[in-house]
Amino acid sequence: QLQLQESGPGLVKPSETLSLTCTVSGVSIATSSSYWGWIRQPPGKGLEWIGNIYESGTTQYNPSLESRVSISVDTSKNQLSLRLSSVTASDTAVYYCGRRNEVDVWGKGTTVIVSS
Amino acid sequence: DIQMTQSPSSLSASVGDRVTITCRASQGIRNDLAWYQQKPGKAPKRLIYGASNLQSGVPSRFSGSGSGTEFTLTISSLQPEDFATYYCLQHNSYPLTFGGGTKVEIK
Repeated sequence: QLQLQESGPGLVKPSETLSLTCTVSGVSIATSSSYWGWIRQPPGKGLEWIGNIYESGTTQYNPSLESRVSISVDTSKNQLSLRLSSVTASDTAVYYCGRRNEVDVWGKGTTVIVSS
Repeated sequence: DIQMTQSPSSLSASVGDRVTITCRASQGIRNDLAWYQQKPGKAPKRLIYGASNLQSGVPSRFSGSGSGTEFTLTISSLQPEDFATYYCLQHNSYPLTFGGGTKVEIK
């Protein structure tokens, strides 16, 4: 059964880099023929697509975040990663990883607070 | 970017009511649309994909319709467990975009 689990620091200081990992179990990212992506949800607000990566390493990013975001895959660990630089309080959110553009499987999410 | 306008933003309904939620795309997206249900503190759950295909395991009281720019999610008979927030997502072109959400509350 496919499962995704996000992990990473729950607290990040302003101007620093947010780094999260999504561990995938039940399917190999390397042979999945799928996109894998990140979505976030600020407290009390709606969902925002951050970006995705194909198994080949090709990425797509939301233009609103493109200058600060990087998504990568480590097929040896079956993980995808998110890095978001120069964070501010507006980056405080629950961060989800998911499979496919029409996200069919979601991780449970991890809360990241940006605060000094 | 394709804008997804979802309406209403909230609604109050009673158990047994028929509920309809609409998403309008700023340009045609064929049927590249999914619907999600989200309960507080939980990840979204996909209900509908390809605009009208019911996700496996989702009750048949949920249905989706539409193509192009107008899409509808219908709950034929609202159940207590359906009180939640619903979102649409277009995956026709990048950046992927969500509707603003519809919160379904108990009347």
